[in-house]
Amino acid sequence: DAKTTQPPSMDCAEGRAANLPCNHSTISGNEYVYWYRQIHSQGPQYIIHGLKNNETNEMASLIITEDRKSSTLILPHATLRDTAVYYCIVRPHTGANSKLTFGKGITLSVRP
Amino acid sequence: EAGVVQSPRYKIIEKKQPVAFWCNPISGHNTLYWYLQNLGQGPELLIRYENEEAVDDSQLPKDRFSAERLKGVDSTLKIQPAELGDSAVYLCASSEGQGLGETQYFGPGTRLLVL
Repeated sequence: DAKTTQPPSMDCAEGRAANLPCNHSTISGNEYVYWYRQIHSQGPQYIIHGLKNNETNEMASLIITEDRKSSTLILPHATLRDTAVYYCIVRPHTGANSKLTFGKGITLSVRP
Repeated sequence: EAGVVQSPRYKIIEKKQPVAFWCNPISGHNTLYWYLQNLGQGPELLIRYENEEAVDDSQLPKDRFSAERLKGVDSTLKIQPAELGDSAVYLCASSEGQGLGETQYFGPGTRLLVL
């Protein structure tokens, strides 16, 4: 079973920031938060991951709360091409339990 | 650099027929994964290879599914015989190292329809 909870869907206007929430209240100390996304008819694509510090790369920012029980993926200037299903996954970085376990994700719709 | 290549992209077969999917991972990637994705669901791992060895096939229905990764590069996933419930997208992914924490790169998938 997925260890994360995400709303089923959300939308945002093109050019605005998209803030995608994820709850992971049972996260363990050695588990990272990973985000992947899946654009229609494509395979999932890695976005970002983090342990406890906020992370930023060319695609997005990841904000993890101090207690690590929730996080937010931020797409700073959403475009129509960001319309996709976004998966929040918690997993250890290594070891037998480190497989990617996908839930249903959150469907982000970016409107013009 | 080429990504993960899968073929065919689409396949329609009648039930009880065999079917095979092919995957070519990113060059140099030692670990290869096959996932199954049902409509409206996230991908589920079927099997993981490290080089030519299947190190996790616990979710592979071995009565009808088989996989191989000869020479530790390309891989083939086979279903024989196919059932109606096998209609889904079959995704292949690869990662560079031999640890599960490595970033996985996915192919576009093969969409299977069993009639």
